[in-house]
Amino acid sequence: GNSVTQMEGPVTLSEEAFLTINCTYTATGYPSLFWYVQYPGEGLQLLLKATKADDKGSNKGFEATYRKETTSFHLEKGSVQVSDSAVYFCALSDGNKLVFGAGTILRVKS
Amino acid sequence: DTAVSQTPKYLVTQMGNDKSIKCEQNLGHDTMYWYKQDSKKFLKIMFSYNNKELIINETVPNRFSPKSPDKAHLNLHINSLELGDSAVYFCASSPYWGVGSGGDTDTQYFGPGTRLTVL
Repeated sequence: GNSVTQMEGPVTLSEEAFLTINCTYTATGYPSLFWYVQYPGEGLQLLLKATKADDKGSNKGFEATYRKETTSFHLEKGSVQVSDSAVYFCALSDGNKLVFGAGTILRVKS
Repeated sequence: DTAVSQTPKYLVTQMGNDKSIKCEQNLGHDTMYWYKQDSKKFLKIMFSYNNKELIINETVPNRFSPKSPDKAHLNLHINSLELGDSAVYFCASSPYWGVGSGGDTDTQYFGPGTRLTVL
C-alpha cells in the first residue's frame, strides 16, 4: 500500500539555521503531497501542499518540491525561528484519506 | 468562527465505560474523518463519511461507532473503553469526496483534537 517515510527526530537546531526534513513516499498513481505542522498542545495545521510533479508548495518561509523521480517531498526553510518548534508530518492523499509519516519533532534553540 | 471544532478537549474515564466525542465543521464540506494519534504521535485514519454515508472504515474494532446526523457533524462513540484506546483523536473535513478532482478538494482541515485517557 501507499506509505510515507520521514527522517527520525528530534531535530535540534539553533535559531537562523537551515532546516531540511526528508520525506519520501511510495504510491501508485500520482497522489497530492502535504506537510502538516502540529504545535505543542494543538491540532494539525496544513503548512503546504503540492498536487503534481515539480510543483513547489510554500508557506511561512517553508517550501517543498514534489519530485517524482526521487519520490520525495523534502521540507526546507532557510532560517528557522524558535516559534517553528513543532512536530512536522509529511502526508499523501490515498483515495480520500491521508497517509501520514511518523512525524519529525523540530526543536529550535535561541 | 472555528472551522472544525471538537468536544470535549480532554476526556478521562475508567476502563469499561462508554464515551462519545463530538465534531462539527462550519466549512460546508461534504467529507469528514476521524484519525487516531498514538503516544508516539503516529496518525492513522479510522473512519470517513461523505454526506452522512460511511466511506472508509479502517479495520477499527466495532466498539468504535461513528455517527453522522448531518454532513456538518461526525460523532465518535466508543463502547467498553480499554487502556489501549488512550490517544488523541482528531476530526477533520475536506470539501469533496472525489479522486482527481484537483484544486483544494483533497486538503483536509483538522480540529484541535480530543485527548482521551483511559484509567
